Amino acid sequence: AQSVSQHNHHVILSEAASLELGCNYSYGGTVNLFWYVQYPGQHLQLLLKYFSGDPLVKGIKGFEAEFIKSKFSFNLRKPSVQWSDTAEYFCAVGGSSNTGKLIFGQGTTLQVKP
Amino acid sequence: NAGVMQNPRHLVRRRGQEARLRCSPMKGHSHVYWYRQLPEEGLKFMVYLQKENIIDESGMPKERFSAEFPKEGPSILRIQQVVRGDSAAYFCASSRRGLAGGPGEQYFGPGTRLTVT
Repeated sequence: AQSVSQHNHHVILSEAASLELGCNYSYGGTVNLFWYVQYPGQHLQLLLKYFSGDPLVKGIKGFEAEFIKSKFSFNLRKPSVQWSDTAEYFCAVGGSSNTGKLIFGQGTTLQVKP
Repeated sequence: NAGVMQNPRHLVRRRGQEARLRCSPMKGHSHVYWYRQLPEEGLKFMVYLQKENIIDESGMPKERFSAEFPKEGPSILRIQQVVRGDSAAYFCASSRRGLAGGPGEQYFGPGTRLTVT
């Protein structure tokens, strides 16, 4: 079955701490991978995406993610978080040749303390 | 460039009434997706449409739910005879590419929060 699992439901960090949010997926075939962020009161925004090529992808606001095919993982990282990174983060996977359906993880709420 | 528009943002319906949720995709986008987010859960895919066609409705409940994307006008998600369990946030997304080029990037609207009393 196709699924996405995010390891942490709620993460609390102090400013300047490093961040790593785990994401593992179960999906047959070639995948496209995404991280979306939802700031309080706002809609989902795309942070970064992986379609092919370099497995280390860089997104907006200093975020990056690494696709490790052998581990079926696409973890999100940021070296130094800011209070403004407080938000909910969603990992999503879609097939490269499917109908466009995205499968989302349950989300991780990140709270950054000033 | 306006983003994905959804209205209403909040909708309250009594049990048994109908709910109509509207979505206008981004300019130049011809693919629309609907997702539902229940409390404490991630987004669940419901349906994928192109103009006048339903491409994938594998996530739609079998009864009471329907969706359309007419040649003119917004996409509509319609829920008949709503029940308390339909209370959720309903998100619409649009993309430029579809089947031929993979899923492409999906851009999300602000969502409609449906409350059934």
